[in-house]
Amino acid sequence: DIQMTQSPSSLSASVGDRVTITCRASQSISSYLNWYQQKPGRAPKLLIYGASSLQRGVPSRFSGSGSGTDFTLTISSLQPEDFATYYCQQSYSTPRTFGGGTKVEI
Amino acid sequence: QVQLQESGPGLVKPSETLSLTCTVSNGSISSYYWSWIRQPPGKGLEWIGYIYYSGSTNYNPSLKSRVSISVDMSKNQFSLKVSSVTAADTAVYYCARGQRTFDYWGQGTLVTVSS
Repeated sequence: DIQMTQSPSSLSASVGDRVTITCRASQSISSYLNWYQQKPGRAPKLLIYGASSLQRGVPSRFSGSGSGTDFTLTISSLQPEDFATYYCQQSYSTPRTFGGGTKVEI
Repeated sequence: QVQLQESGPGLVKPSETLSLTCTVSNGSISSYYWSWIRQPPGKGLEWIGYIYYSGSTNYNPSLKSRVSISVDMSKNQFSLKVSSVTAADTAVYYCARGQRTFDYWGQGTLVTVSS
């Protein structure tokens, strides 16, 4: 199985901050990397697919980059509604695997 | 837009079989892959497996011996069965569209394994 490691596991930030979350795969996954946002009691929501493609309807302050084993999710200017947990997920091979999550708190 | 809704018992006894159904509305189950994903309380996400509308499946090896996913095109539904459940199977179970990228999700249903 491909292991996905996210860092940090949590972070504190303020509205307007630039936030970067990293995700590392245990082997190369090309650009087969997705990012999801999950709020308490809600299902995850797809933000980024293919490492850098923005899902329709997702604000442009979210961006993704990387390929191979190292990936980043960036929120350019944190908004109140962005406080949530973020997960990366590899779609290179089965079993599909997720990172452990990064909780973005105030 | 496409909507997914999980349904099934919220409480299952140890050693019994967990059964859930996902109903797809505002869209056809045809021509897509459909997945099940679970999340133990306070923990991360685990992919369980997927099914193509034609019936082909792919399961997580960690659960493969206990999991079965099926599809009913006439009802626009797909289903999950997990046999011989233990407390470790207690989780929120989500159904989702896709097999590489999960773009639509159900709201999730909590299944507790307890006697």
